[in-house]
Amino acid sequence: DTAVSQTPKYLVTQMGNDKSIKCEQNLGHDTMYWYKQDSKKFLKIMFSYNNKELIINETVPNRFSPKSPDKAHLNLHINSLELGDSAVYFCASSRWGQNTEAFFGQGTRLTVV
Amino acid sequence: AQSVSQHNHHVILSEAASLELGCNYSYGGTVNLFWYVQYPGQHLQLLLKYFSGDPLVKGIKGFEAEFIKSKFSFNLRKPSVQWSDTAEYFCAARGSSNTGKLIFGQGTTLQVKP
Repeated sequence: DTAVSQTPKYLVTQMGNDKSIKCEQNLGHDTMYWYKQDSKKFLKIMFSYNNKELIINETVPNRFSPKSPDKAHLNLHINSLELGDSAVYFCASSRWGQNTEAFFGQGTRLTVV
Repeated sequence: AQSVSQHNHHVILSEAASLELGCNYSYGGTVNLFWYVQYPGQHLQLLLKYFSGDPLVKGIKGFEAEFIKSKFSFNLRKPSVQWSDTAEYFCAARGSSNTGKLIFGQGTTLQVKP
């Protein structure tokens, strides 16, 4: 059983399109995250949700809108895609609080052409 | 500002060589520290973590790391690397704010030659 699963794994789309990435975790965690890994492999947090409530929004353009319908799901919708949005997007989950570890999904490689 | 810095960006070793990857962090207060590995085309997997207690932590696949508070360091070590250790290695830290936010270092690409 995959602990944190994302779909799709690859996404190729044209500039200006709107796309969504889905994430689900079956670990019983209450906190979920989106991280972006750029072309230099640098990882940076974008959002985090705890019990469906937005906790972190790291100066991400408002074209990016996360949605958490329940504790086990955190989706990422991106409007008006730009070339610079090309990256690998990782979903992760953890228990809330200190002394916990985050588990990552397999990533979604988004390519905007 | 909170930050994590990895000293080595690209390391090339022969099999059986010893490995040490440097990681320094800049945080006030309590910090949790992690090393993640990303094999080619795969997701991040946790190698090891430090929360408190014994500063020498052992992880999977023969990796270990030492937390040295006075040096703000959390270096990763392995006595003898294998070709299968070829991967990207990330040091990460989380502060005491309880938001769960991880701050990652720039990553180190390890290439092990058979």
